[in-house]
Amino acid sequence: NAGVTQTPKFRVLKTGQSMTLLCAQDMNHEYMYWYRQDPGMGLRLIHYSVGEGTTAKGEVPDGYNVSRLKKQNFLLGLESAAPSQTSVYFCASTEVVRAEAFFGQGTRLTVV
Amino acid sequence: DAKTTQPTSMDCAEGRAANLPCNHSTISGNEYVYWYRQIHSQGPQYIIHGLKNNETNEMASLIITEDRKSSTLILPHATLRDTAVYYCPPRRGFKTIFGAGTRLFVKA
Repeated sequence: NAGVTQTPKFRVLKTGQSMTLLCAQDMNHEYMYWYRQDPGMGLRLIHYSVGEGTTAKGEVPDGYNVSRLKKQNFLLGLESAAPSQTSVYFCASTEVVRAEAFFGQGTRLTVV
Repeated sequence: DAKTTQPTSMDCAEGRAANLPCNHSTISGNEYVYWYRQIHSQGPQYIIHGLKNNETNEMASLIITEDRKSSTLILPHATLRDTAVYYCPPRRGFKTIFGAGTRLFVKA
């Protein structure tokens, strides 16, 4: 039982490059979330989804786009990476009723 | 908006109980209290949750005050491996909002 899997685990980008982070969950959860965590800080919500085909903005959505074409996958895109997007990115999923969140292992992204 | 307040950091001696407080005075009547912890740079891990009654599982105990304005997470016999950041994040609609949490240092 894999739970929540994030791909890739590490990535270095040059300023202006684009990339997509993939989050996959095998628990049939409706809700999925993308957070970022900067050093010494808590997690900040970027975008979230309450079901297949739906997405919504969180606290810090600028510079990111997301898609939820399949229930089990939630993609986070950076169209033109900036050094300020250097961070650790975490994906999470929850059921509708029981809101216990399951997290992936994180993606460490560095933009140079 | 729902909001929680936690101390920035706490120390605990190994083998002693660690009591981590959380103030959630704006919690709504049917909203659960959830606790998570994050060890080093791993993803946060669910610990326990409760609504009104005290709860206990293999990891911890959760004490919720009768007025539900605050709660305490208890690690009965803290070990060095319990050194982590502990969160009691509020829910706002569909969203779980994580603040800075409490950094617990368990010392030998």
